[in-house]
Amino acid sequence: ETGVTQTPRHLVMGMTNKKSLKCEQHLGHNAMYWYKQSAKKPLELMFVYNFKEQTENNSVPSRFSPECPNSSHLFLHLHTLQPEDSALYLCASSQDNRYEQYFGPGTRLTVT
Amino acid sequence: GQQVMQIPQYQHVQEGEDFTTYCNSSTTLSNIQWYKQRPGGHPVFLIQLVKSGEVKKQKRLTFQFGEAKKNSSLHITATQTTDVGTYFCAGPKGYQKVTFGIGTKLQVIP
Repeated sequence: ETGVTQTPRHLVMGMTNKKSLKCEQHLGHNAMYWYKQSAKKPLELMFVYNFKEQTENNSVPSRFSPECPNSSHLFLHLHTLQPEDSALYLCASSQDNRYEQYFGPGTRLTVT
Repeated sequence: GQQVMQIPQYQHVQEGEDFTTYCNSSTTLSNIQWYKQRPGGHPVFLIQLVKSGEVKKQKRLTFQFGEAKKNSSLHITATQTTDVGTYFCAGPKGYQKVTFGIGTKLQVIP
């Protein structure tokens, strides 16, 4: 499945680093999402973009900063992260926010 | 706010046994979606149910949407080791975004 791609697939960063995660969808969808998935925790919705506009921010710390330049691309900018931010970060897209979502392979992030 | 509860959280079954996971919402859902995440993988969309009382089948998997559109179930007949993974239900309330359940992690013992 290559409908939703994410880069990088793995990332190790120090707490003082700045990095960005990239997501691209080739499905012509209008909604894009960032999720955090930690071990033994449910999927945590972080941000939702609908037609490039942010429609949801689930009390995510400001060290995570999303950017959606167009309906096909979504970024998650990371700075001064904490070790507890280590997780799998999943991007997804859907036709609109009520329809089924298609997930990318995720970025496995480790904060040291 | 809307919550989607899923039970059980974990299930171990012997290969060949049946398996069922249940999804319950505190509010009426516009539709119910089911996803599967293999170990080390990402959630993959399986199916969507829209109508009250709807039943859909995919080979050994049977999906059901309750009459009140507040609950759903996924039943797997004669599990195989390839069924291992976490099964999530998800659903929107009205025109609101989809909310995911916590998932049921299935282990199949060969």
